[in-house]
Amino acid sequence: QVQLVESGGGLVKPGGSLRLSCAASGFTFSDYYMSWIRQAPGKGLEWVSYISSSGSTIYYADSVKGRFTISRDNAKNSLYLQMNSLRAEDTAVYYCARVQWLVRIFDYWGQGTLVTVSS
Amino acid sequence: EIVLTQSPGTLSLSPGERATLSCRASQSVSSSYLAWYQQKPGQAPRLLIYGASSRATGIPDRFSGSGSGTDFTLTISRLEPEDFAVYYCQQYGSSPQFTFGPGTKVDIK
Repeated sequence: QVQLVESGGGLVKPGGSLRLSCAASGFTFSDYYMSWIRQAPGKGLEWVSYISSSGSTIYYADSVKGRFTISRDNAKNSLYLQMNSLRAEDTAVYYCARVQWLVRIFDYWGQGTLVTVSS
Repeated sequence: EIVLTQSPGTLSLSPGERATLSCRASQSVSSSYLAWYQQKPGQAPRLLIYGASSRATGIPDRFSGSGSGTDFTLTISRLEPEDFAVYYCQQYGSSPQFTFGPGTKVDIK
C-alpha cells in the first residue's frame, strides 16, 4: 500500500533553516509528481510546491518562492523540502502528497511533520 | 489568481440529514481540476472527489460532487457519525497553481 512518511520537523529560530524529508513506498515513486502542502495551526491547507516525476519541472507558492527548495531522489524514493530564512508564519504541519497529474489532485498524503518557527 | 470561497463556514446537522457544501471560484475553473477533501482532527486530508464529480477509490456513494464553471457542490446524502469533519475544495489553475478553499466544518447539531 502507498505510504508517505515525513520527517525533519522541529523547532527553529526565525531566519533559520530546516530540511524536511518524505520517504515513499508502495508505488513507483519515479512515475509520480510530488508536492508539499502545509497547514498552520487551526488554519486551512496551503499548497507550497510541486516537482515533476523527473524533477525537471518545479513550482512554488509565492509565499515561499526564493526561500524554499523542493527536490527528489528517485533512487532513494525520497522527496525533500529545504527551508531557509524561516519566518514565524511558516509555522505549520507540512504534508508530503502524491500528485495524480492527469487530474491535478493529491491522492495520498503523509501524516505530516510539524515545523515551529519561534525564538 | 483564482480564489475559492466555501460556504457555509460551519454546518450543524444531525446524523441522517443531508449536507450540501458550496465551493465558489473567483473565475471559471476547469471541472477536470476540481477536487474535494475530508479532514478529521489530527489526521491528514483524504481525497473524496476529483474531476468535480468522480468519487475516489473507496469513497461511499453517499458522497457526490457536482457543478461547473465557478460553482461546485459536495453533497453528503445521509450523514454518518464518521462524516463530521472539515471539507476542503481544491482547484488547479494558473498561478499560484494549486489553491484550496478555506473549508467547511460539518459538526453535530
